[in-house]
Amino acid sequence: EPEVTQTPSHQVTQMGQEVILRCVPISNHLYFYWYRQILGQKVEFLVSFYNNEISEKSEIFDDQFSVERPDGSNFTLKIRSTKLEDSAMYFCASSLGGLNTGELFFGEGSRLTVL
Amino acid sequence: AQSVAQPEDQVKVAEGNPLTVKCTYSVSGNPYLFWYVQYPNRGLQFLLKYITGDNLVKGSYGFEAEFNKSQTSFHLKKPSALVSDSALYFCAVRDRAAGNKLTFGGGTRVLVKP
Repeated sequence: EPEVTQTPSHQVTQMGQEVILRCVPISNHLYFYWYRQILGQKVEFLVSFYNNEISEKSEIFDDQFSVERPDGSNFTLKIRSTKLEDSAMYFCASSLGGLNTGELFFGEGSRLTVL
Repeated sequence: AQSVAQPEDQVKVAEGNPLTVKCTYSVSGNPYLFWYVQYPNRGLQFLLKYITGDNLVKGSYGFEAEFNKSQTSFHLKKPSALVSDSALYFCAVRDRAAGNKLTFGGGTRVLVKP
């Protein structure tokens, strides 16, 4: 069964460092997303991406965050200068169509720890 | 704005007994509703969805959920729980009038005892 894959599974970084989290969505999917889950809290929407541009972003997704689909297969989330409060599990997801037609398929997450 | 509430942090049932996980939502328009399950150290796995049509939706692993518009609820049910159903369950909503994002509830931890 096709799946969304994410790397790394766990990354530890120092505050102020740049981090790139990578995702390979399901190959025929057209919509891509990043969500995050701070330990013990809700899963929160960060950004959605369609047709090579951001289609929607939350207030969490400030100038420190960026997304890219550099080569038609990978979908990356970059945090330019990490803060302690960026420590969370980051989930990539993809869907074939928009949410009016189907569901999101999630990866297993990348745990980011900022020290 | 759209929101989801899962009023129970934890639900405990004995194996073989019925399982219900509660979810209520708030949207300005008509909702799309989803249930996801998360096993330890795993991602979110889709269980079922309500888009339109029958209010009773059947999904994976014997789960079902009933959309109740008047009560703005979408409770997840399973007639006979298994120990392997022990996991974290998330309800999520998308407002059709809003964008393409899901809003998740806080999650309910289900513990099925042998």
